Amino acid sequence: EPEVTQTPSHQVTQMGQEVILRCVPISNHLYFYWYRQILGQKVEFLVSFYNNEISEKSEIFDDQFSVERPDGSNFTLKIRSTKLEDSAMYFCASTRTGSGQYFGAGTRLSVL
Amino acid sequence: GIQVEQSPPDLILQEGANSTLRCNFSDSVNNLQWFHQNPWGQLINLFYIPSGTKQNGRLSATTVATERYSLLYISSSQTTDSGVYFCAVEQGFKTIFGAGTRLFVKA
Repeated sequence: EPEVTQTPSHQVTQMGQEVILRCVPISNHLYFYWYRQILGQKVEFLVSFYNNEISEKSEIFDDQFSVERPDGSNFTLKIRSTKLEDSAMYFCASTRTGSGQYFGAGTRLSVL
Repeated sequence: GIQVEQSPPDLILQEGANSTLRCNFSDSVNNLQWFHQNPWGQLINLFYIPSGTKQNGRLSATTVATERYSLLYISSSQTTDSGVYFCAVEQGFKTIFGAGTRLFVKA
């Protein structure tokens, strides 16, 4: 069964460094999403992406964040200058019209 | 913005028991999904159910969109059902998760 793939599974970085989290959505899906989940809390929407542009973003998704679909398969989330409070699990999801969202296994980001 | 409330927040069951989890939302939505987050943190898609009733094995779900709620039924619970159950609603291109119901099933 097709699945959403995220790499790396765990990323450790120093405060102020840039990180790029990578996702390969399911191949026939057209809508892509990033979420984050701080340990023990609920899942928070960051951004949705369709037709090579952002469809909607939350208040969390400020100028430090950006998304890109650099080729036909990858979907990336970049955090320009990480802060301690960016430490969380980041999930990528994808879907197509009339279907639910399918989530990757997540990338745990630890900012030291 | 839209509010999504789940109840109960915590639930402990004896293996074999049945349970009902509830999700209330404060505004009309395009879609609704139920997810299970297992102890390893994976979010598993249980149901995509903007309206009506669906069943999958021991699980079933009902969404009454006009009354802004959805129910997830778990029958004959097993220890592997433990984890957090999230309801998530979509408005436009934004998805809002509830705080979840944490379920523990005792052997």
